[in-house]
Amino acid sequence: EAQVTQNPRYLITVTGKKLTVTCSQNMNHEYMSWYRQDPGLGLRQIYYSMNVEVTDKGDVPEGYKVSRKEKRNFPLILESPSPNQTSLYFCASSLSWAHTEAFFGQGTRLTVV
Amino acid sequence: KQEVTQIPAALSVPEGENLVLNCSFTDSAIYNLQWFRQDPGKGLTSLLLIQSSQREQTSGRLNASLDKSSGRSTLYIAASQPGDSATYLCAVSGDTNAGKSTFGDGTTLTVKP
Repeated sequence: EAQVTQNPRYLITVTGKKLTVTCSQNMNHEYMSWYRQDPGLGLRQIYYSMNVEVTDKGDVPEGYKVSRKEKRNFPLILESPSPNQTSLYFCASSLSWAHTEAFFGQGTRLTVV
Repeated sequence: KQEVTQIPAALSVPEGENLVLNCSFTDSAIYNLQWFRQDPGKGLTSLLLIQSSQREQTSGRLNASLDKSSGRSTLYIAASQPGDSATYLCAVSGDTNAGKSTFGDGTTLTVKP
């Protein structure tokens, strides 16, 4: 089944403890992206990747890191999480960024205390 | 900076009605516009993708139009059903900033039996 898989689905962590949210797609898509969704602020793009080893900042990249060492995986890294990073995070992928529909993961609900 | 607005924020209709959801964007230099559906606690599902050179796309009871010059898109849902109840989001992908996408806050639709 074609899908984008995020792990974990739910995570509660403490301020400053490094964490990684994984994202994997099985569709051989070139384009992958991370978003956060907050009430009243909608979905905002954090980072995106046009292809392997190519990443770029979205609208809210501060406090996040990403890497794209292989096509199927695009992990989101929070080196020192803070409470303002409490949010619902989504990973998405598409065959190419411009021409094809985007597929989203089920989301990761992160709480930083 | 691109801004995307969706009006209304919420809409409640009786089953069987035809309805229109609106999406407007401030920068007409877009590559495409995509409509998504989000169910509570779930990820986003792509409904329709319109390239900037296209005027409309249709899928079943859904029809999306795009007027790039005026910065507007509409999603028309025919013969609404209770199963259409969800939040509908539109997103635009930038022309000058390849890979960047901006989402509206969404319209929450309730279709009453």
